[in-house]
Amino acid sequence: GENVEQHPSTLSVQEGDSAVIKCTYSDSASNYFPWYKQELGKRPQLIIDIRSNVGEKKDQRIAVTLNKTAKHFSLHITETQPEDSAVYFCAASIPGYALNFGKGTSLLVTP
Amino acid sequence: DAGVIQSPRHEVTEMGQEVTLRCKPISGHNSLFWYRQTMMRGLELLIYFNNNVPIDDSGMPEDRFSAKMPNASFSTLKIQPSEPRDSAVYFCASSPEINTEAFFGQGTRLTVV
Repeated sequence: GENVEQHPSTLSVQEGDSAVIKCTYSDSASNYFPWYKQELGKRPQLIIDIRSNVGEKKDQRIAVTLNKTAKHFSLHITETQPEDSAVYFCAASIPGYALNFGKGTSLLVTP
Repeated sequence: DAGVIQSPRHEVTEMGQEVTLRCKPISGHNSLFWYRQTMMRGLELLIYFNNNVPIDDSGMPEDRFSAKMPNASFSTLKIQPSEPRDSAVYFCASSPEINTEAFFGQGTRLTVV
């Protein structure tokens, strides 16, 4: 099945700086790559997603890039704010199959 | 729509007891997933259904775990007998179609003592 690796496991940045989280996947047939944010004690919620026919997608301060050749995708958060502090999960799925998640990145934004 | 609804929110049980977790997916969603979250293993896919039919249960840890989806609006995950290592947060999620955004319920925090 699909295997998703995520790095780093923890990330600490100062408010206003950028944060980058990277993921790799194993199955070249994967075509859907969502990112979820999970605040403490809450459910994971989608923040942005990308499909394999697109190389980059942006939504205000967050963006995702996809390199199909290298089988990796990244989440970029610019101008970080304390409320961005959370655990972020990447995921990948093959057509007809469920999402497989990375192990998560705990992001801390310090004022 | 109220979103994906799970019950109970918290469950504390003794080792050896049967535990049943419940899930009501978003109306109209065709796919339903059960995930388990722990610090060590992250979000693990246990099983998923498409149009009420189990598609892949290879993530179910062992025979003590079973899941059913008798109709489009209800699913259960059962653990019998429960063990302390089953302690985790169990999430149910649903999506309109497989391979699209999954909407998560609030989770059930299970503690087996």
